Amino acid sequence: DGGITQSPKYLFRKEGQNVTLSCEQNLNHDAMYWYRQDPGQGLRLIYYSQIVNDFQKGDIAEGYSVSREKKESFPLTVTSAQKNPTAFYLCASSTTGRGEQYFGPGTRLTVT
Amino acid sequence: AQSVTQLDSQVPVFEEAPVELRCNYSSSVSVYLFWYVQYPNQGLQLLLKYLSGSTLVKGINGFEAEFNKSQTSFHLRKPSVHISDTAEYFCAVSVFSGNTPLVFGKGTRLSVIA
Repeated sequence: DGGITQSPKYLFRKEGQNVTLSCEQNLNHDAMYWYRQDPGQGLRLIYYSQIVNDFQKGDIAEGYSVSREKKESFPLTVTSAQKNPTAFYLCASSTTGRGEQYFGPGTRLTVT
Repeated sequence: AQSVTQLDSQVPVFEEAPVELRCNYSSSVSVYLFWYVQYPNQGLQLLLKYLSGSTLVKGINGFEAEFNKSQTSFHLRKPSVHISDTAEYFCAVSVFSGNTPLVFGKGTRLSVIA
């Protein structure tokens, strides 16, 4: 089945630790995205990539980093510089940079 | 730049009643429009999309939306809701040209009451 996988579903970390969230797609999509979701705030774009080895900051990139070494994979690292990392993180992909997006199931990160 | 306003953050409605979730957008160029649904602790699922052609768009689960260019709106409707429609709904906009990602509204939480 084609789709987007995110792992793990739930992730717990201690404050001060970096953590990497996985996102893999087998849809052969060029573009991939990371969003953060907090209650009542909708989706906020963290980073996006429209082609391998290239990515752009979104609205809330501070404290996050990404890489795009393969078309299928777009991991997100939440660094210790991110002040409020506890949130629901969603990965998405699309055929082009402006097309409809397909979403993964999300990862809920809790940092204590 | 584009923007999306979902006029209601929460909409309670009784089962089998009709519902309309409102979405207005702002853009200086032609757009594509989308509605997504999110069930608790899940990703977003595409409900329907307007790319061109007929302004009345039908989607999954009995939902439909109408594109109104003069009012820059794309309201989502369902004639009779079910308990299972309880979820968060997001409106999104994208432009015809360039590679700008979708811009999402803040969402409307639909609660269907038995």
